[in-house]
Amino acid sequence: EPEVTQTPSHQVTQMGQEVILRCVPISNHLYFYWYRQILGQKVEFLVSFYNNEISEKSEIFDDQFSVERPDGSNFTLKIRSTKLEDSAMYFCASRVDTADNSPLHFGNGTRLTVT
Amino acid sequence: DQQVKQNSPSLSVQEGRISILNCDYTNSMFDYFLWYKKYPAEGPTFLISISSIKDKNEDGRFTVFLNKSAKHLSLHIVPSQPGDSAVYFCAAIKAAGNKLTFGGGTRVLVKP
Repeated sequence: EPEVTQTPSHQVTQMGQEVILRCVPISNHLYFYWYRQILGQKVEFLVSFYNNEISEKSEIFDDQFSVERPDGSNFTLKIRSTKLEDSAMYFCASRVDTADNSPLHFGNGTRLTVT
Repeated sequence: DQQVKQNSPSLSVQEGRISILNCDYTNSMFDYFLWYKKYPAEGPTFLISISSIKDKNEDGRFTVFLNKSAKHLSLHIVPSQPGDSAVYFCAAIKAAGNKLTFGGGTRVLVKP
């Protein structure tokens, strides 16, 4: 069964550094998402992406965050200047369309640790 | 943002018995509800869903019930198996919407 793949599985970075988290969505999916889960908290929506542009973003997704689909397969999340509070699991997801019976499929996540 | 709530953080059940997980929501604009299962070090995996026009959807050992007037849904797992031990998330999405709103999760432990 096709799956969403994320790399790296664990990223450690120093505060103030830039990080790029990478995702390869399922190939025939058109909608892409980033979510995050801070330890012990809910899974939170960050951003959705369709047709090469952001379709929706949350309050968390401020100017420090950006997303890009640099080619036909990758979908990246960039954090320009990481803060301690950015430490979390970051999940990429994709969806074939927005029909009701089209669930989001998630990758296994990247654990980001900011020191 | 407490639009989707799972009030039981954990549940312990004997193998073979029924697991019942509950979820409440506040936003009447939610039109579609999903349950995800999550193992440690893995992403959420889609389990089962239900549209707001239905009150029950069944898939093998998993049944989801929706009480729209009470803004409540539940997931029944019968019979529970040790491999069902995981965190279960309820999630909701608005009609023609684009994002899932998750509950806080319920950790299920199925004892052999």
